[in-house]
Amino acid sequence: EAQVTQNPRYLITVTGKKLTVTCSQNMNHEYMSWYRQDPGLGLRQIYYSMNVEVTDKGDVPEGYKVSRKEKRNFPLILESPSPNQTSLYFCASSLLGQSLNEQFFGPGTRLTVL
Amino acid sequence: QQPVQSPQAVILREGEDAVINCSSSKALYSVHWYRQKHGEAPVFLMILLKGGEQKGHDKISASFNEKKQQSSLYLTASQLSYSGTYFCGTEIRSNNDMRFGAGTRLTVKP
Repeated sequence: EAQVTQNPRYLITVTGKKLTVTCSQNMNHEYMSWYRQDPGLGLRQIYYSMNVEVTDKGDVPEGYKVSRKEKRNFPLILESPSPNQTSLYFCASSLLGQSLNEQFFGPGTRLTVL
Repeated sequence: QQPVQSPQAVILREGEDAVINCSSSKALYSVHWYRQKHGEAPVFLMILLKGGEQKGHDKISASFNEKKQQSSLYLTASQLSYSGTYFCGTEIRSNNDMRFGAGTRLTVKP
């Protein structure tokens, strides 16, 4: 089944404790992206990647890192999480064509930083 | 650079129509529409490329006015299943990163 998976789905952590949220897709998509969703603000892009070893900042990259060592995986790293990073996070992937194509979203990761 | 959506929220009765607007301060290459039901991930509806094309499936259609830098999503004869939050996403260049609007919450009541 074609899908985007994220782990963990729920995470409660404390300020400063490094964490990684994994994202994997099995559709051979070139494009992958991370978004955070906060009430009233919609989906804000954190980082995106158009291919292996190619990553770019989105709108809200501060406090986050990503890597794209393999086509299928795009982990999101929070080196020193802070309470303002409490949010719902979505990973998405897409084929690249004339424009971005349909983005397939993962199920989301709800992160709480205490 | 984030597109602006209006209205923020709308409540309809089954069978009524609705229009959701998405406007940008920059010239757009494409507009994407997604729907998100409560507690779920966003799901793709359609993409419109510059050129003023209109697309649709079933009773949901959209237009893209390149000159006005805006797109509108039309929901006709709304059904209960249309309830959710609708997001427009925009690209200002081909294969550029996506910017989503803040969303429009649509509630359809019986």
